[in-house]
Amino acid sequence: DVKVTQSSRYLVKRTGEKVFLECVQDMDHENMFWYRQDPGLGLRLIYFSYDVKMKEKGDIPEGYSVSREKKERFSLILESASTNQTSMYLCASTGGTTEAFFGQGTRLTVV
Amino acid sequence: LAKTTQPISMDSYEGQEVNITCSHNNIATNDYITWYQQFPSQGPRFIIQGYKTKVTNEVASLFIPADRKSSTLSLPRVSLSDTAVYYCLVGDPLYNNDMRFGAGTRLTVKP
Repeated sequence: DVKVTQSSRYLVKRTGEKVFLECVQDMDHENMFWYRQDPGLGLRLIYFSYDVKMKEKGDIPEGYSVSREKKERFSLILESASTNQTSMYLCASTGGTTEAFFGQGTRLTVV
Repeated sequence: LAKTTQPISMDSYEGQEVNITCSHNNIATNDYITWYQQFPSQGPRFIIQGYKTKVTNEVASLFIPADRKSSTLSLPRVSLSDTAVYYCLVGDPLYNNDMRFGAGTRLTVKP
């Protein structure tokens, strides 16, 4: 089974902290994605990566950056966390098909 | 932005067939249509994918007319456990590095 694992299920951080959300997939997928999900807004694409060291902005990249140094790992970075970044963050991967595999999500609260 | 349009919500009763339609007027020649299901506090899960005509699996059927500008997900004899948000996406499986979800359709199944 494909596994996409996010490093934390729940996180609480303070305003202004630098926050790292980690995602690892074990199926050698080329594409990886980060989304945030807020009530009533569906999944919104923050960044995606189609290869190591490659990244593309999604619809809401402001306030975020990403890193993909290895094929299996895609990190989302909140440079200076703010309360409006309190959300559920979801990581996904695909490889050669339209079937995406998602992690369990990280619920981030910024206080 | 998402390339699809779906109803925001639908209600149904147990045992009924539910049809959710998705519009994708600008679908490209190489695009496939993929549907996902999401339960609260979980990542979306792949349900079905198709290119044209009809596709059926153990969970659902997908109907795609000849012009491919829309598609209909059909859930036979729904149960309470089918209450979820359903998302329609279009994309090229060869590249599939631009997965944008819309707000989805919130299906509520009542007893």
